[in-house]
Amino acid sequence: QSVLTQAPSVSAAPGQKVTISCSGSSSNIGNNYVSWYQQFPGTAPKLLIYDNTERPSGIPDRFSGSKSGTSATLDITGLQTGDEADYYCGTWDTSLSAKIFGGGTKVTVL
Amino acid sequence: EAQLVESGGGLVKPGGSLRLSCAASGVIFSNAWMSWVRQAPGKGLEWIGRIKSKSNGGTTDHAAPVKGRFTISRDDSKNTLYLQMNSLKTEDTAVYYCTTVLRMYDAFDIWGQGTMVTVSS
Repeated sequence: QSVLTQAPSVSAAPGQKVTISCSGSSSNIGNNYVSWYQQFPGTAPKLLIYDNTERPSGIPDRFSGSKSGTSATLDITGLQTGDEADYYCGTWDTSLSAKIFGGGTKVTVL
Repeated sequence: EAQLVESGGGLVKPGGSLRLSCAASGVIFSNAWMSWVRQAPGKGLEWIGRIKSKSNGGTTDHAAPVKGRFTISRDDSKNTLYLQMNSLKTEDTAVYYCTTVLRMYDAFDIWGQGTMVTVSS
């Protein structure tokens, strides 16, 4: 069981918006930076968001991150079929002295 | 273009050892903090550990499930990261990825393609 909690799956129609939540505690999300990763089957994860809200070069602005207290959120707007993937949140846990990930959320485009 | 290429995966018996390598190109490897992340079949991501750059002490941190069995090291002259895995268990079966670390944000920005390690008798 992951220290960070994510819903196993979310779905929406093309063009709609999905919100993926990541819930933690003061020892992790509450006091550390959150990053988000996208992973297609059989491929390596890709960094989508770092520093809670920042996008690396080349990541479309349809992907946005936010953080409030001990929770973080990844929004995907203008959903496309190519967005079907698993999404993971990650952060440092100060108590564990370890990087931790959420269990992942599978996005399905209906 | 920055690239990481892992190698050294394969089939090993429980209790055995294996050393993974990660060759870096297109990055200033000596300045980079590096990490290993693994993913068991059908499961999520799990952090194995990290190694800081020599200018930041070159120290390592390992996750609890592998501490004392796995060791991360680096050879900056070869632009190569290593993961020495000893006393392997069936639960260590996974794809192993090496990554660079955006140190200030503890984010993994460049990933290798991964190498599969299977621990089975």
